[in-house]
Amino acid sequence: DAKTTQPNSMESNEEEPVHLPCNHSTISGTDYIHWYRQLPSQGPEYVIHGLTSNVNNRMASLAIAEDRKSSTLILHRATLRDAAVYYCILESYAQGGSEKLVFGKGTKLTVNP
Amino acid sequence: GAVVSQHPSWVICKSGTSVKIECRSLDFQATTMFWYRQFPKQSLMLMATSNEGSKATYEQGVEKDKFLINHASLTLSTLTVTSAHPEDSSFYICSALEDPLAEQYFGPGTRLTVT
Repeated sequence: DAKTTQPNSMESNEEEPVHLPCNHSTISGTDYIHWYRQLPSQGPEYVIHGLTSNVNNRMASLAIAEDRKSSTLILHRATLRDAAVYYCILESYAQGGSEKLVFGKGTKLTVNP
Repeated sequence: GAVVSQHPSWVICKSGTSVKIECRSLDFQATTMFWYRQFPKQSLMLMATSNEGSKATYEQGVEKDKFLINHASLTLSTLTVTSAHPEDSSFYICSALEDPLAEQYFGPGTRLTVT
């Protein structure tokens, strides 16, 4: 399984933007970059995913490097509710179907009021 | 968005007994469901992948005779922990996939405590 590297923890202040980095230097051409987050004592929640182009949705933006070896999840205005562990995961569709998600340790985001 | 439920949300059982956890996709049909386990302060570990009507595929190191998975319909998968022991105490989370190209929807998790 392709591996990702994320900082163990990050801190942000409320209403400020947050940039969560992820390195995936061994990514293959068919790997999608997924981001999920997990609040304490809850199941993970989908945030965003992309392949090559930058992506935006109501929760966040995903900036993907041109060589696809790294990506950044951007929360435009952090709120206290965004405090969670954020997981960057590569998912491959090379075999024509869904592949399992392999969760790393993720980045624990703390948002200060 | 799509909703996945789990029942029960928490359960306490005695060592040696079996416990069944249900995972349901409430507003969509799930082609594939996944079962994860999460120990305190650790990440999620995938236990098995199940497709409706076929046998589950277990990850290496997961005992299929101990963790029985039944994917009876496109909206229901069950995980039965047989002969539970205290080391099986964990947070069990399921997820469901409607479309292979879509995101996974996760349930809220079931906290199992074996005494």
